Amino acid sequence: NAGVTQTPKFQVLKTGQSMTLQCAQDMNHEYMSWYRQDPGMGLRLIHYSVGAGITDQGEVPNGYNVSRSTTEDFPLRLLSAAPSQTSVYFCASSWSGRADTQYFGPGTRLTVL
Amino acid sequence: GQQLNQSPQSMFIQEGEDVSMNCTSSSIFNTWLWYKQDPGEGPVLLIALYKAGELTSNGRLTAQFGITRKDSFLNISASIPSDVGIYFCAGQRFSGGYNKLIFGAGTRLAVHP
Repeated sequence: NAGVTQTPKFQVLKTGQSMTLQCAQDMNHEYMSWYRQDPGMGLRLIHYSVGAGITDQGEVPNGYNVSRSTTEDFPLRLLSAAPSQTSVYFCASSWSGRADTQYFGPGTRLTVL
Repeated sequence: GQQLNQSPQSMFIQEGEDVSMNCTSSSIFNTWLWYKQDPGEGPVLLIALYKAGELTSNGRLTAQFGITRKDSFLNISASIPSDVGIYFCAGQRFSGGYNKLIFGAGTRLAVHP
């Protein structure tokens, strides 16, 4: 049982490049979400999913796309990276949708030059 | 987006000392949570509070859900070096079919042996 895994651990992009941050969980959790963490700020919700095929926007969705084709995976896509997207990205999953059952992944540190 | 006001921003204390940090908000929440984040890792849940006035302990940690539902505090007694890290408060609110979290900016704790 690996929990929530994220790849890559680190990534450097140039402005305008695209990439996908991967998130997978092996706990059969229905609820998954993506957060970003910036210096001096708490985590902010980007997108979330309440089950396969169902996604919705969080607090800061602009510049990011998501899809949920399987229960296990919830990738986050940056179509045209911008320096403002330099951040640490965390994926989380939970079985109930409640925060007290939510597990966070180890994070992906993204730098956009 | 909305953020919680978490204070202090950082603390540098001697091993054995007690620590207190708090969060306030202009909005009410149905759940308050406290997390700890170690370097290079995702946040880990320490304590969840579900009712106004609730006081909950987890080992040397004690947290309370404010009566107004707009604030919470966390106390750590007899600090030890492994308490080092960033502590985040978060308020949970049900919105759009999902329990969304609003995070504070964190309290960075350093413990001097």
